[in-house]
Amino acid sequence: GESVGLHLPTLSVQEGDNSIINCAYSNSASDYFIWYKQESGKGPQFIIDIRSNMDKRQGQRVTVLLNKTVKHLSLQIAATQPGDSAVYFCAENGGYDNRDDKIIFGKGTRLHILP
Amino acid sequence: DSGVTQTPKHLITATGQRVTLRCSPRSGDLSVYWYQQSLDQGLQFLIQYYNGEERAKGNILERFSAQQFPDLHSELNLSSLELGDSALYFCASSTGPWETQYFGPGTRLLVL
Repeated sequence: GESVGLHLPTLSVQEGDNSIINCAYSNSASDYFIWYKQESGKGPQFIIDIRSNMDKRQGQRVTVLLNKTVKHLSLQIAATQPGDSAVYFCAENGGYDNRDDKIIFGKGTRLHILP
Repeated sequence: DSGVTQTPKHLITATGQRVTLRCSPRSGDLSVYWYQQSLDQGLQFLIQYYNGEERAKGNILERFSAQQFPDLHSELNLSSLELGDSALYFCASSTGPWETQYFGPGTRLLVL
């Protein structure tokens, strides 16, 4: 499959370790945040979301943390597996003041799993 | 499988030509979004439709246009194609604005 972005930051993690992918969002009015995973040759896939009235949300092996004070979002993946290798995008909605009414995607981070 | 379908999967054409990309949203989704993804630009939002009407515009060129039909499928038309238009084009759908978007597999466009 093709690579998605040649100049993405890359996080290399040993298989079995926990991964933490960070994202700084831009709009303090954003109140809905999403993490997407994009494997090579495929479209982005929804992983987990969080609204601004929460600071933590857990899914299956994934946890999203939101720090509104510093406009920071993180995705934690527990016990990283080879199938977790992908590019991860954070996205924000820009808040209800956003007249453009769209989701804004970050640049992405490539997660590389070491055997 | 997200439930969003896109055709064709691959498209090779020449500069100056016009192509149409098609998207069928998930059953029940009223919103359709189009994105362009190139190697050095990441995911760029192009345009959004909700229940047949244009809802939001992003970085969409004037050479590009889209529409959403009464059956909610959408088409993205790209005309006067240039080499730089070569990219992956994704369609996504959601139940409504601000809701989680589910992406299709994409159409890879190569302009020669």
